[in-house]
Amino acid sequence: GAGVSQTPSNKVTEKGKYVELRCDPISGHTALYWYRQSLGQGPEFLIYFQGTGAADDSGLPNDRFFAVRPEGSVSTLKIQRTERGDSAVYLCASSWGRTGHYNEQFFGPGTRLTVL
Amino acid sequence: AQSVTQPDIHITVSEGASLELRCNYSYGATPYLFWYVQSPGQGLQLLLKYFSGDTLVQGIKGFEAEFKRSQSSFNLRKPSVHWSDAAEYFCAVGANSGNTPLVFGKGTRLSVIA
Repeated sequence: GAGVSQTPSNKVTEKGKYVELRCDPISGHTALYWYRQSLGQGPEFLIYFQGTGAADDSGLPNDRFFAVRPEGSVSTLKIQRTERGDSAVYLCASSWGRTGHYNEQFFGPGTRLTVL
Repeated sequence: AQSVTQPDIHITVSEGASLELRCNYSYGATPYLFWYVQSPGQGLQLLLKYFSGDTLVQGIKGFEAEFKRSQSSFNLRKPSVHWSDAAEYFCAVGANSGNTPLVFGKGTRLSVIA
């Protein structure tokens, strides 16, 4: 079956512009995660959704970053007034989200964002 | 707070040689521990995981890892490396509930030479 997909695969933008990154999770997965991977670093958590609601957004670096998941499936990460330091690979992962069980996170290929 | 340390940024091994990648974690209780592999342009793929029980866990592609509570370590091993194993390897820790986000180490880049 289809895995987690992310679009676009690459995004180049100018400083100060607004960008949206999209994540399509595995069908039926209720949990969805966004991570950011800067060059030479491991992925760092940004936000986690359970269904339509953000269960944990403690990793969002500032109020320029926002994410939505209006129907509990596709999620969009939105970055306002982009800065060069936002350049990174943005990874999305999804899982079954069952409580009381381990739920493996399946990762998408990522969106590489470059802010010029 | 959880944290993961991977002390080796880059390791080079000869094809057919054995491999050990180090991982140390910090977590107050028994953690969930993971090793992921990331090839260029690819997403993260789970190699293996530890929750409880047998401290030696087997994974895909011939990898294994051993959980040592006394050393707070979860080192990844493979007895004979293949050229296709060249990739970035990440150790990660999760809280012992089902849905918490993972905390990753900075990764170890593995190069394989003939």
